[in-house]
Amino acid sequence: QSVVTQPPSASGTPGQRVTISCSGSSSNIGSNPVNWYQQLPGTAPKLLIYSNNQRPSGVADRFSGSKSGTSASLAISGLQSEDEADYYCAAWDNRFNGPYVFGTGTKVTVL
Amino acid sequence: QVRLVQSGAELKNPGASVKVTCKASGYTFTGYYLHWVRQAPGQGLEWMAWINPKNGDTNYAQKFRDRVTLTRDTSITTGYMELSRLRSDDTAVYFCARGGYDSLSGHYTVFDYWGQGTLVAISP
Repeated sequence: QSVVTQPPSASGTPGQRVTISCSGSSSNIGSNPVNWYQQLPGTAPKLLIYSNNQRPSGVADRFSGSKSGTSASLAISGLQSEDEADYYCAAWDNRFNGPYVFGTGTKVTVL
Repeated sequence: QVRLVQSGAELKNPGASVKVTCKASGYTFTGYYLHWVRQAPGQGLEWMAWINPKNGDTNYAQKFRDRVTLTRDTSITTGYMELSRLRSDDTAVYFCARGGYDSLSGHYTVFDYWGQGTLVAISP
């Protein structure tokens, strides 16, 4: 069981804005930057956001990340059908010099 | 271009060991950490361990500390993950991922490139 929790699902119609929350603790999100990964069905995860709010080159600016205290969030604006995927937040945990903890994951459905 | 190519699927008996390879290309192998992450069927992502290819230093999640061994061969830019004493709940897809440096944390935990995954199935 992950110590970082996300809602199991989120949904929206094309063009809508969807927000995914990520709740951790002082030893992980509260102390370290958060990354977000997108996993399309049957594929490897892809880095979406790093260092709380930075987008790698090639990632659409529809995706944005933020962090406050022990929580973080990912926003997808202008939702598109190809955004239907699983999304995971993640952060290093300082308790035992690790582990790197992934959130429980959120399935985004485009209605 | 950066590529991480993993070895093929494995079918193992309980109690056996498996060794998964991750061949890196397109970047300086010793400049980034190599992490291993697994995903059981229908489940989320679980971090297992990292290795620093430059000096061979490793860090294992407590859960895997007595069963996982990470090694690397810098001459062929390849990392290895060996999991021993396999159990049925080790059935999963195992990914290697390149860990880039995060200046905010000081850790090499920006997983910017991933291998395609290796299915390891445990069945008697």
